[in-house]
Amino acid sequence: EAGVTQFPSHSVIEKGQTVTLRCDPISGHDNLYWYRRVMGKEIKFLLHFVKESKQDESGMPNNRFLAERTGGTYSTLKVQPAELEDSGVYFCASSPGIEETQYFGPGTRLLVL
Amino acid sequence: GQNIDQPTEMTATEGAIVQINCTYQTSGFNGLFWYQQHAGEAPTFLSYNVLDGLEEKGRFSSFLSRSKGYSYLLLKELQMKDSASYLCAVGNYGQNFVFGPGTRLSVLP
Repeated sequence: EAGVTQFPSHSVIEKGQTVTLRCDPISGHDNLYWYRRVMGKEIKFLLHFVKESKQDESGMPNNRFLAERTGGTYSTLKVQPAELEDSGVYFCASSPGIEETQYFGPGTRLLVL
Repeated sequence: GQNIDQPTEMTATEGAIVQINCTYQTSGFNGLFWYQQHAGEAPTFLSYNVLDGLEEKGRFSSFLSRSKGYSYLLLKELQMKDSASYLCAVGNYGQNFVFGPGTRLSVLP
C-alpha cells in the first residue's frame, strides 16, 4: 500500500512569490491534515480536512495560506505571498477515521529567501 | 494551551534499554502518540495509549498515566538504526495533534 506522498520535496522561492504544495493521502483515508515545523520549533497543526470539508483550520497562521481538497482526494496548500517566516517543513498526514493513527508524508522543505 | 516537554537529547549504547519521557499539561485528550523520525524523513508511528498503563509492541513499549500527566517510550535491545528523533504527541478530540519538541536519541556502538 502506498504511503502519503508530498510534492515537491524541496522548494526555494523568493519573498513575495507564490508556492503550492501538494499532498496525496493514503487511498481511502477521509481525514487529511497539514502540519508544519519551522526552524527549531515543534511540529504544529495547521488544518484538518474530512473528505473535501475543512473540519478545523484553527492552526492556519494567516490569510496568506489557502488549503483545498477538491473531490476529497489530494490536497493543496498555497502560500501567497510567501514571507521569510514561512520557511520550514510542511507535513501532510492522513488517517482513515477521526480518532485513528495518522500516517505522515515525508514533508516539503520550503525555503523563502 | 498545551505544553508538552521532552528531553532534548539522549545517548545510549547498542543493546541497552532507554526510556524517553514526555510530560504534558492538558485538560483532556483522546490519546497520546509516539512517532519516530529519522532526519529528512516522515514521522513514523510507533505506539499510542488511550488508557493508562503499558502498551507493548515488540522492542517498543509506551506507558501513560493521565493523572500524572506523564508518558514514556521504552526502547529495548537498542540498535544503531534506532538513532532518530522521538516525538510525543497529544491527540485532541477531533484529532489535531499537538507535538512535543522531540528527543534526539543517539545510539553508540
